[in-house]
Amino acid sequence: DAKTTQPNSMESNEEEPVHLPCNHSTISGTDYIHWYRQLPSQGPEYVIHGLTSNVNNRMASLAIAEDRKSSTLILHRATLRDAAVYYCILRDNNAGNMLTFGGGTRLMVKP
Amino acid sequence: EAGVAQSPRYKIIEKRQSVAFWCNPISGHATLYWYQQILGQGPKLLIQFQNNGVVDDSQLPKDRFSAERLKGVDSTLKIQPAKLEDSAVYLCASSFSTSGGVEQFFGPGTRLTVL
Repeated sequence: DAKTTQPNSMESNEEEPVHLPCNHSTISGTDYIHWYRQLPSQGPEYVIHGLTSNVNNRMASLAIAEDRKSSTLILHRATLRDAAVYYCILRDNNAGNMLTFGGGTRLMVKP
Repeated sequence: EAGVAQSPRYKIIEKRQSVAFWCNPISGHATLYWYQQILGQGPKLLIQFQNNGVVDDSQLPKDRFSAERLKGVDSTLKIQPAKLEDSAVYLCASSFSTSGGVEQFFGPGTRLTVL
């Protein structure tokens, strides 16, 4: 799987928007961009995914650069419950759907 | 909809002992995964099943780890004998298919401590 690069940690204030960046300069045409998050003492949970176009769902938005070499996960209003490790993962549609996790970004939300 | 179930939630054993973990995936999910997550790291895939067949076990330490999914539903992961470095959280996940756009659903994990 192609690798992703994320900051180790970020801080945000409660009720403010959060932009979590991810670089994936070696992305291939068949790679989906997935975001998962892991709350303390829980298994990872799916947040959002996209291929080429920006995506929105009830949890977040995903903004994908035109050249697809970077993406940004946007939490529109951070809450204390959003404090977690966020993983940006590339998944090859031709490679069996396995997830290769990196270190992720630890998001801390301040009240 | 019931999520992915795992048991036990916690297990403490001494090195060289054996241990087994159980996973029940979401109903109808053909693909099942086992991940190992060492403290402070992201999860690492150990093995992937499609129904009852192994798709990828390239990162499974086969000298001590084994896994099976005999009827294409529940799965068991076994470690025999355990080493200190096996202390980790073992996560089970399932998905409807192997398409790259399909999400995986994770269970709560089993925290293993090897003394």
